[in-house]
This record gives sequence, structure tokens and C-alpha cells, in this order.
Amino acid sequence: EPEVTQTPSHQVTQMGQEVILRCVPISNHLYFYWYRQILGQKVEFLVSFYNNEISEKSEIFDDQFSVERPDGSNFTLKIRSTKLEDSAMYFCASSEALRGYYNSPLHFGNGTRLTVT
Amino acid sequence: DQQVKQNSPSLSVQEGRISILNCDYTNSMFDYFLWYKKYPAEGPTFLISISSIKDKNEDGRFTVFLNKSAKHLSLHIVPSQPGDSAVYFCAASSGDKLTFGTGTRLAVRP
Repeated sequence: EPEVTQTPSHQVTQMGQEVILRCVPISNHLYFYWYRQILGQKVEFLVSFYNNEISEKSEIFDDQFSVERPDGSNFTLKIRSTKLEDSAMYFCASSEALRGYYNSPLHFGNGTRLTVT
Repeated sequence: DQQVKQNSPSLSVQEGRISILNCDYTNSMFDYFLWYKKYPAEGPTFLISISSIKDKNEDGRFTVFLNKSAKHLSLHIVPSQPGDSAVYFCAASSGDKLTFGTGTRLAVRP
């Protein structure tokens, strides 16, 4: 069964450094997402991406965050200047179509654990 | 933000019995509801979903019930198996995003 893959599985970085988290969504999917889960807290929506642009973003997704689909297969999340509170598990997801119009659930990757020291 | 709530952090069930996981929501704009299962060190895995125009959806051992007037949904697993032991998340959507509950840890005892 096709799956969403994320690399690296664990990223350690120093505060203030830039990080790029990488994802390869399922190949025929058109909608891409980033979510995060801070330890002990809920899974939270960050951003959705369709047709090479952001379609919706949360309050968490401020100017320090950006997303990009640099080629036909990768989908990246960049944090320009990491803060301690960015430490979390970051999940990439993709879906075939927009939910609510089709029965099209999100399929999640296994996540990248980001640790900011 | 408590738009989606799972009030039971954990549930323990005997193998072969029914597991019932509950979820409440407050936002009447949610139009689609999903259940995900999560094992440690893995991402959430989609289980089953239901549109707001339905009140029941069944897939094998898994059935989701939606009570819109009560803003309540539940996941029934029958019969429960030890491999079902995981954290179960309820999620609700409006627009592009999913709003997740805090999860219920299900333990199925052999």
C-alpha cells in the first residue's frame, strides 16, 4: 500500500538555526498538509497546500514557517529560526481530494521528531 | 481550543468484548469526522470516517456512530483484539483542516 514517507526521522538543531523537514506524499494525491504534536499535547494543524499554494494555515504557522513543493514528489516544511517551543513531532499528510466533497481521508507519515536545544 | 474532546484518556477491555470510544465536539460547522489509530513512533493511521449527513458507518469490526443533535460520535470495535491496543484519535473537519481530540489509549487484554 502506498505511504507517505518523511525524512529524517529525528532532527536535532540548535535554537536559531534553520531546519527543513522533508516529505514524499502518496504519488496520486493532490492535497498536502503539515501537522505537529508537541509531547503530551494534541495533534495540531499547521498548513494545507494545494495547486502549489497554501490553501489554509493556522495561527501557529507564522512567518518563521514556509512550505514548498520543489519538484513533483517532495513537500517540505522550513522553519527559518527555530525556537525551543518548536520541539515537536511533525507529521506530513496527503489526501487524494478535498475532504467534505469526497470521502478522502488524510494519510499520515511516521513523523519527524524535531528537538531544538 | 477544546472543539474536539475525548474525555476518557484510557480504556481497558477484555479480548473478544466490545470497545467503545467516545468523542464530543462543539463546532456545528464540522462536516466530516474521522477516527485514527496511532502506535508509538508512527503517524496516525486512518480507520474509519463518517459524513455529517449520516449517522452510522460500518467497516468490518469498526463502526462509527454520529449523533449530531448531541454533537457526539463513538467508535465501536467488536470483537476487540490485542492488536487493537493503541491510542485512538477522533478528528473533525471543516475546510481544509482536521481538529483532533487528545486521544484515548485502548488496551485490549488477552
